[in-house]
Order: sequence, then structure tokens, then C-alpha cells
Amino acid sequence: AQTVTQSQPEMSVQEAETVTLSCTYDTSESDYYLFWYKQPPSRQMILVIRQEAYKQQNATENRFSVNFQKAAKSFSLKISDSQLGDAAMYFCAYRSARNGNKLVFGAGTILRVKS
Amino acid sequence: EPEVTQTPSHQVTQMGQEVILRCVPISNHLYFYWYRQILGQKVEFLVSFYNNEISEKSEIFDDQFSVERPDGSNFTLKIRSTKLEDSAMYFCASSEGTGATDTQYFGPGTRLTVL
Repeated sequence: AQTVTQSQPEMSVQEAETVTLSCTYDTSESDYYLFWYKQPPSRQMILVIRQEAYKQQNATENRFSVNFQKAAKSFSLKISDSQLGDAAMYFCAYRSARNGNKLVFGAGTILRVKS
Repeated sequence: EPEVTQTPSHQVTQMGQEVILRCVPISNHLYFYWYRQILGQKVEFLVSFYNNEISEKSEIFDDQFSVERPDGSNFTLKIRSTKLEDSAMYFCASSEGTGATDTQYFGPGTRLTVL
């Protein structure tokens, strides 16, 4: 079974600075997708960024980018120019490309942004 | 932007009672999911539903649980006889498809408290 590990329960970043959230996963599959979801306080989870495992190029979405290291099974999220609105719980998630559609989540990292 | 909605936001029930949690997925989506998060633990997959059938379920989704799409808009999760350990946040999600770019969109959740 696949597992996702987020080793940082909580992180802090100063406004306008850069922060990296870590995620590692375990799978025997070669074809899969990885996601970062953001859950602001009392709001629903929204997708931040996705990465297809077959793509070598790291995904980017504006201030958000990932460092995908397939061999190391690592998928970190970098947030540049952090804003107060980035404060949230961030979940890393895995989905198989061939065996079902369920998302397997990590435990989450709370990101605090200081002004 | 279309959103997944869930009702109620908070449900309190007595052990042994039946509860029905309701979700309205995004209207053109075909795949529906339930996840839950026990306080302090990971978000866990319960069940996925497509074409009026369960397509995948986890070990958690035992005979006490059932899902239904009673009409063209609602998707429900029923717990037949609630236990204390069913207390959790329950999230509904929906997606248009299951491909690489098909995002699972989440609702805000229903907090279930079993006394």
C-alpha cells in the first residue's frame, strides 16, 4: 500500500520570504500523480499544484513550485514571496494512475505566515 | 466558480443512531468520493462512486456505511448505527474524470460528533 509522509507538523515563514514544505512517499508503482492541497482555516481543501510522475519537469503555478525527485520518492512544495493568505494546512497526496482514484494523504503541515 | 457543498456543517448524534450526511457535487462531475479525518489523524479515503455504483472502498467502509445518489444532484453517506469512533470530519469530493488533469474538488466537510 502507498503511504505519504509529511515530517513537518508546523512551519513558519516571514511574509515575502520563501518556504519549503517536505513530503516523501512510498509506492511500488511507476505511474502516479502527486498533489499539494491547501486547507485554509474553516474552508475546504483546494488544489495548489499537481505533478505527473512521468514528467521530469517540475510543476509550477505562479508562486508555487515543486521539487519532484522520483528516485528519492520526494515531492516538496516551495512557496515564494509568501503572503498572509498562504497561511493554511498543506496536505501532500498521492493517486495511482492505474489502480483506483483514491487520494492517499499525508498528515499535513500547518504553515504560519508572520507579518 | 462551482463548489461542492455539504450539509449539515456539524451533526451531533447519540451512539447507535443513524445519520445521513449530504453532499451536492459539482454539476457536471461524474465521480464522487467520501473521505474522513479523525481529529489529529490523516485524511482517509472511504469510498468512490461512479455510474450509480461503488467503484472502490476502503477497509473502513464496512456494512455500517452506505452511499447513494438519490437524485441528479445529491450524494449521501449513511452510517447505520453510529459508534463513538465514527466521530470525525467527513469530506465529500467530486471530479469530472479520473485522468491526470482531473482534480478532486472537496466540500467544506461535516463534523460528526457521536456521544
